Amino acid sequence: DIQMTQSPSSLSASVGDRVTVTCRASQTISNSLNWYQRKPGTAPKLLIYAASTLQNGVPSRFSGSGYGTNFALTITSLRPEDFATYYCQQSFSKPPWTFGQGTKVEI
Amino acid sequence: EVQLLQSGGGLVQPGASRRLSCAASGFTFSRNAMSWVRQTPGKGLEWVSSITAGGVDTYYADSVKGRFTISRDNSNNTLYLQMNSLRADDTAEYFCAKDGDHLWGSYDHWGRGSLVTVSS
Repeated sequence: DIQMTQSPSSLSASVGDRVTVTCRASQTISNSLNWYQRKPGTAPKLLIYAASTLQNGVPSRFSGSGYGTNFALTITSLRPEDFATYYCQQSFSKPPWTFGQGTKVEI
Repeated sequence: EVQLLQSGGGLVQPGASRRLSCAASGFTFSRNAMSWVRQTPGKGLEWVSSITAGGVDTYYADSVKGRFTISRDNSNNTLYLQMNSLRADDTAEYFCAKDGDHLWGSYDHWGRGSLVTVSS
């Protein structure tokens, strides 16, 4: 199975900061990489699919990049509602799909 | 508006069975693959199982293979997860998730979650 390694596992930031979370796949996955946001008590929310395509309704301060094995999620100008846990997920070829271990963005 | 209404969670004894359901509305259910994803206490998200739009192909995580069965009823717009031989490490919040239209395995809508607690 493809392993996904996210870093950091947590980070402290302030409103207005630029934040970057990285995700590395154990083998090449083309651009089959998705990013989700999870807040306590709510279901995960798809932010970005296919490495860099913004899901409908997601603010443009979120962006994704990468191809192959190295990927990144960037949040420019962090807002209070962005404090959450972020997960990458590979969906290359066919299941099993795998998630990264998550990155908690906190104040 | 897409809605995924989950039911079936609860407290179950080790070795017992439980079936989760996910009633879908707001989209053409028969056109999308569907999946189950879980989150164990204090841990991250784990993909559990997927089923193709027509229900022909199913996929499972190694941790549940042989014990869980995913199925769907396209005439009633409902997804199921039959869980047998439940173990303590199956304790988790289970989400049904709808595949997006652009990339298989990217989940654009999720249910609210069903908590399954396996304990005696």
